[in-house]
Amino acid sequence: QKEVEQDPGPLSVPEGAIVSLNCTYSNSAFQYFMWYRQYSRKGPELLMYTYSSGNKEDGRFTAQVDKSSKYISLFIRDSQPSDSATYLCAMRSAGGFKTIFGAGTRLFVKA
Amino acid sequence: GAGVSQSPSNKVTEKGKDVELRCDPISGHTALYWYRQRLGQGLEFLIYFQGNSAPDKSGLPSDRFSAERTGGSVSTLTIQRTQQEDSAVYLCASSFVTGSSYNEQFFGPGTRLTVL
Repeated sequence: QKEVEQDPGPLSVPEGAIVSLNCTYSNSAFQYFMWYRQYSRKGPELLMYTYSSGNKEDGRFTAQVDKSSKYISLFIRDSQPSDSATYLCAMRSAGGFKTIFGAGTRLFVKA
Repeated sequence: GAGVSQSPSNKVTEKGKDVELRCDPISGHTALYWYRQRLGQGLEFLIYFQGNSAPDKSGLPSDRFSAERTGGSVSTLTIQRTQQEDSAVYLCASSFVTGSSYNEQFFGPGTRLTVL
């Protein structure tokens, strides 16, 4: 079993839809939870990070962490064609340096 | 300011040859990371440097892989006797000192390695 599981998709939605992306994990020591966006042939860029449990909102993006269920989510409201990319969840423990990434979910937003 | 740069952007090599991949981190970033990303997959951690030291090399796939960092700046990932299974994008990232607090990793564009 992988430490971090993420459905690779692809996920195709119409413009304006609400997108829900999710990851599950097995290591209860993880404390930092990140979402990265990666466009084709580019390096990943950080969208949001959350420490421990709770919600965090930034514009159209909301990240949620449920440590009791070992489940994290990223919601994208009013999705745009420019949101079409691969979204990677990532996590690491406090005091650790090794970041574990999910496989990434490919998202297509159709105009 | 300049971001993380990697060279070459693309490398095609023949099976059995050695390759060197270079990473120039953001100035002032003491932590440097190498990852491998196979087609359609997530990032696989390879090695991490704090300054010039690599506390954990356990992510390196085999003894054909090695990495070094000099002057707390530039890092080189070397793959000896390349195999077709080494074909992937090799990504480098840097950050301020890691540890108990969160420090964002900034990624370079990657080196796309193809082993024929």
